Amino acid sequence: KQEVTQIPAALSVPEGENLVLNCSFTDSAIYNLQWFRQDPGKGLTSLLLIQSSQREQTSGRLNASLDKSSGRSTLYIAASQPGDSATYLCAVRENNNAGNMLTFGGGTRLMVKP
Amino acid sequence: ETGVTQTPRHLVMGMTNKKSLKCEQHLGHNAMYWYKQSAKKPLELMFVYNFKEQTENNSVPSRFSPECPNSSHLFLHLHTLQPEDSALYLCASSPEGARPTDTQYFGPGTRLTVL
Repeated sequence: KQEVTQIPAALSVPEGENLVLNCSFTDSAIYNLQWFRQDPGKGLTSLLLIQSSQREQTSGRLNASLDKSSGRSTLYIAASQPGDSATYLCAVRENNNAGNMLTFGGGTRLMVKP
Repeated sequence: ETGVTQTPRHLVMGMTNKKSLKCEQHLGHNAMYWYKQSAKKPLELMFVYNFKEQTENNSVPSRFSPECPNSSHLFLHLHTLQPEDSALYLCASSPEGARPTDTQYFGPGTRLTVL
């Protein structure tokens, strides 16, 4: 059974710092991996989706990398801002004809202090 | 109204009550999902509906009963719940449930407390 782990569980940094969030998964036979942001009371918002054949994806100050063979992904946030404060979730889709089913990690709760 | 909406946003119920959660999507999608997010566990998939047909039941207890009358609406009927069922229940939709390339769009969730 696929298990997804995110480290650290919580992170507090001063504004302007570059930071890295980590995600690991136990079964490397994934179709793709997705990073979400969750704000209190607002559900999840998709940030980046990396296909299994890709190494990284970038969107603005966010860069996500994928090392499928080692079962790892990182989300890099450059020049962090207080508005980045949220919980960041990593999720994988498995390559087993299961369709569009996600397995989530426990999330990293990020606080960026002004 | 656009996106995925959920009602109510907060619900407190006793163990003997019967209540329902509602999800509506205005995106023209054909797949809808129920997830449970409790304080001590990662977000867990509960049910998947694709073109109104249930395609996945992730070993969910029968006290949770989903209903999908059409591709835009999804309900979760609750009865004789336990305090450990207290959680945030999230609904999501995607263009088609069988396509792993489709992004899922999430609603804001219903915060459920079972007393």
